[in-house]
Amino acid sequence: DAGVTQSPTHLIKTRGQQVTLRCSPKSGHDTVSWYQQALGQGPQFIFQYYEEEERQRGNFPDRFSGHQFPNYSSELNVNALLLGDSALYLCASSLVPGSNSPLHFGNGTRLTVT
Amino acid sequence: AQSVTQLDSQVPVFEEAPVELRCNYSSSVSVYLFWYVQYPNQGLQLLLKYLSGSTLVKGINGFEAEFKKSETSFHLTKPSAHMSDAAEYFCAVSAADSSYKLIFGSGTRLLVRP
Repeated sequence: DAGVTQSPTHLIKTRGQQVTLRCSPKSGHDTVSWYQQALGQGPQFIFQYYEEEERQRGNFPDRFSGHQFPNYSSELNVNALLLGDSALYLCASSLVPGSNSPLHFGNGTRLTVT
Repeated sequence: AQSVTQLDSQVPVFEEAPVELRCNYSSSVSVYLFWYVQYPNQGLQLLLKYLSGSTLVKGINGFEAEFKKSETSFHLTKPSAHMSDAAEYFCAVSAADSSYKLIFGSGTRLLVRP
């Protein structure tokens, strides 16, 4: 049973560039959430997608955008990268939306902005 | 809005000694509470959750936590630590309404000494 898979595992970008991160949810899950985890911090909620729509968004600027495809996979896009965007980006999937549905996390994409 | 405070950034214990990781939360509405564990270079794994019902919750790997509403706490305990328990532990809270996001604490690193 495949869990949540993320690609790539590591990425190095330059300030001002754009990046796309990808996520495939756990089999049977239709809801995808994205979190940013800065070094030494807990994850921070970016947004959640369900039925190809953004359901809720955290306190992140519009430079962060996403998409969910009909097969439930998802992308996170970040434009105009800043040094402060360097972090581990975690994708999590769940059976249904709603905070009582346990999240299954991928291993993350480590983004370094230089 | 909800918030989570993990009072200790690091907790050292000897192998086979009891473990307690502290978590306090703040919320003006009813909450769901979670503990996640993160091993190096991996995503987060759910240890246990409190949604409703019994306030003593048992999770995987011998961990348990007790929801104390009067103290706004959800401390994680284990009777006897194993070397394999060494990891980062995150407490998380969400509003028990239609909110989709988890609010994480800053984490507690459990150090297990032989």
